[in-house]
Amino acid sequence: GAGVSQSPSNKVTEKGKDVELRCDPISGHTALYWYRQSLGQGLEFLIYFQGNSAPDKSGLPSDRFSAERTGGSVSTLTIQRTQQEDSAVYLCASSWDSQETQYFGPGTRLLVL
Amino acid sequence: AQSVSQHNHHVILSEAASLELGCNYSYGGTVNLFWYVQYPGQHLQLLLKYFSGDPLVKGIKGFEAEFIKSKFSFNLRKPSVQWSDTAEYFCAVSPFYSSASKIIFGSGTRLSIRP
Repeated sequence: GAGVSQSPSNKVTEKGKDVELRCDPISGHTALYWYRQSLGQGLEFLIYFQGNSAPDKSGLPSDRFSAERTGGSVSTLTIQRTQQEDSAVYLCASSWDSQETQYFGPGTRLLVL
Repeated sequence: AQSVSQHNHHVILSEAASLELGCNYSYGGTVNLFWYVQYPGQHLQLLLKYFSGDPLVKGIKGFEAEFIKSKFSFNLRKPSVQWSDTAEYFCAVSPFYSSASKIIFGSGTRLSIRP
């Protein structure tokens, strides 16, 4: 079946511009996570959605970052006024519920010039 | 706050050597445990997981991990590594204190195998 998809696969933007990254989870998965992976670094947790519960935003690095999940399915991560340090691979993962195996998407590679 | 520690940032081994990657976590209750792997240029994918039962878990490609509750550890092992095992390995823990508790990842261990 279809896995987690993310778009765009690559994004180059200028410092100060806003970007939107999209994640399509596996159908039926109630949990959705966003992570950031910088070069040579581990996985940095950003935000987590579980069903209809309020999202866990504890990992968002600044108020320039926000995310929403419409209808319990597709999620969009928005970065406003991008900075060069935002350059990274942004990964999305989904799972049947919060305790289960996560399935990762291919990521969006963001480069801020 | 709960945390996951992977002691080795980068491990370099020769082919056929034995492997053990350490993982410790800081939560005293019930946990689900995972190892994920990211091969160069590929998605992160599940290597193995422990939910309950036999604390020695076998995964894909000859990997296994042992859950030792008293040591809060879930170390990954392979008796004889291959060049194709070159990848980044992430330990993850899901503390089961609520149905919405999130999974926490370690910082990862990069494994390089010399052919």
